[in-house]
Amino acid sequence: GAVVSQHPSRVICKSGTSVKIECRSLDFQATTMFWYRQFPKKSLMLMATSNEGSKATYEQGVEKDKFLINHASLTLSTLTVTSAHPEDSSFYICSATSRKETQYFGPGTRLLVL
Amino acid sequence: QKEVEQNSGPLSVPEGAIASLNCTYSDRGSQSFFWYRQYSGKSPELIMSIYSNGDKEDGRFTAQLNKASQYVSLLIRDSQPSDSATYLCAVKRSTGGFKTIFGAGTRLFVKA
Repeated sequence: GAVVSQHPSRVICKSGTSVKIECRSLDFQATTMFWYRQFPKKSLMLMATSNEGSKATYEQGVEKDKFLINHASLTLSTLTVTSAHPEDSSFYICSATSRKETQYFGPGTRLLVL
Repeated sequence: QKEVEQNSGPLSVPEGAIASLNCTYSDRGSQSFFWYRQYSGKSPELIMSIYSNGDKEDGRFTAQLNKASQYVSLLIRDSQPSDSATYLCAVKRSTGGFKTIFGAGTRLFVKA
């Protein structure tokens, strides 16, 4: 299957700081990337969908000014959690898809905000 | 009604048995269906995709699709303790941006 990487895998930050998470498709061009959040023992929650070169589409209830998404190229999307607070602590997972439509997930980034 | 419904489980089966995981969906026009496995603390990994009615086999896994009944299932033969995970059913919408909708997942526990 296709390979999607995420960096960092784990991050601890202080409340009020911003954190950037990178998602890369390593062996295919991702026309669309998705960002999910998952709390312990809960299901995946789609946060936003991003297409290369255009603005991300956010799901209802997700603050676009807090969760900044940039999909600058066909292999890279970034999620920046601005002014992070403890309630933003979660497991953030990206996925990528090419025109073949199957979504491949990155390994996830565990964020802990102190 | 949720777009993609799965029994949350846990489904417990003995080692060597067949595990049967079920999923129903509401979008009658959907054409693409996926099963993912998610181990605790890890991200989902794709097991199988299926697009046509009937069965699709890959090793110990068989996906079954019945579009008339809006039902998709995953069978795991010769279940192993390492199969213990949450299994996510995913369905690609036929309209509304063609988004892939994930079920909440079924927890499977294979007893040694």
